[in-house]
Amino acid sequence: KNEVEQSPQNLTAQEGEFITINCSYSVGISALHWLQQHPGGGIVSLFMLSSGKKKHGRLIATINIQEKHSSLHITASHPRDSAVYICHLSRSYNTDKLIFGTGTRLQVFP
Amino acid sequence: KAGVTQTPRYLIKTRGQQVTLSCSPISGHRSVSWYQQTPGQGLQFLFEYFSETQRNKGNFPGRFSGRQFSNSRSEMNVSTLELGDSALYLCASSASDGRINEQFFGPGTRLTVL
Repeated sequence: KNEVEQSPQNLTAQEGEFITINCSYSVGISALHWLQQHPGGGIVSLFMLSSGKKKHGRLIATINIQEKHSSLHITASHPRDSAVYICHLSRSYNTDKLIFGTGTRLQVFP
Repeated sequence: KAGVTQTPRYLIKTRGQQVTLSCSPISGHRSVSWYQQTPGQGLQFLFEYFSETQRNKGNFPGRFSGRQFSNSRSEMNVSTLELGDSALYLCASSASDGRINEQFFGPGTRLTVL
């Protein structure tokens, strides 16, 4: 069993729709991160979570430590949100070794 | 602060050659990690350097090596290149000050092995 699993793998949406991407993990973590990767490869860190919920603009990330589950929500989706979204786990405070999910490819059509 | 920079951005090599990639972290960041991204395997951790020492290592063959300099800049070397080494190589830096650290990624070096 993979240590981290994302769903769905692919997602298409119409502009304006509410998007949810899920990440489940099976190991102890110090933090969970959500990344956004646009075509061309550049990666941007969206959120780093160790508990609760964070909001940035139209993006909301939540984590439930007991259930080992996190969700990334995009409200009022826009074509510029089209990207691959990757969740990854920090296992320890003293090392930044990360475990990556396989990513969710999101396409938002106008 | 300037972001993480990687050079070169694109590289084409042939099988059997060796290659060196460079990463300059954000000023003040002491940890640099390297990742390989391929369509089939996704993002995979290569190794992490902290204060010029390799602190963690992923499951890659010995052909993949790295080092970190006193100014925290890091280089990654791949010897005896194989076709399967074609990938996007990303580095990321973090403060690694004992707290939960956000990683900041560079733009990547896209390596093509012919």
